[in-house]
Amino acid sequence: DAGITQSPRHKVTETGTPVTLRCHQTENHRYMYWYRQDPGHGLRLIHYSYGVKDTDKGEVSDGYSVSRSKTEDFLLTLESATSSQTSVYFCAISSGGAVGQFFGPGTRLTVL
Amino acid sequence: GIQVEQSPPDLILQEGANSTLRCNFSDSVNNLQWFHQNPWGQLINLFYIPSGTKQNGRLSATTVATERYSLLYISSSQTTDSGVYFCAVELAGNQFYFGTGTSLTVIP
Repeated sequence: DAGITQSPRHKVTETGTPVTLRCHQTENHRYMYWYRQDPGHGLRLIHYSYGVKDTDKGEVSDGYSVSRSKTEDFLLTLESATSSQTSVYFCAISSGGAVGQFFGPGTRLTVL
Repeated sequence: GIQVEQSPPDLILQEGANSTLRCNFSDSVNNLQWFHQNPWGQLINLFYIPSGTKQNGRLSATTVATERYSLLYISSSQTTDSGVYFCAVELAGNQFYFGTGTSLTVIP
């Protein structure tokens, strides 16, 4: 398994509260990604990073922000959680080479 | 944006049967990847296949980039093959777009 961990693995929070999810890698890969998975939609890209302090928006970035201050950590923040952000969140990493992406175990977030 | 369509959406097989899953995409892509999501939610990298054919045990994949499709073949299916199979295409800028998946159930 690629060395990717996500924390927390499960979280229940209330509407309007801030939430931060953490993705940590031990592979020293350049690229890191945050996705959300919802029934009927597959996985959709939220934000991604192509280096320390280098990030860009994905397909469904509204309501989310990210930060990457170290190669190994990529944080996803919901500034004010809404019920529509209830989902399973996956982090992925890639070296950019011919092996593709590898995924973390996921975080199940419920916003009440 | 790019459209990634997978078929069939659902598939039920008897153990030992063979199957073919298809992924069509609407525009040129840099790369394509196949994943298996097991019943516990874990996403497993199966193939990274921008073109040509690759094989890994009972699984093989073929991508015909010029015709914008990829196929995943599962031979002699086993109950452990159950889960959802996703294809994902990579565009310029290292952005990936996923299809909505094929849900496979293998019955003993």
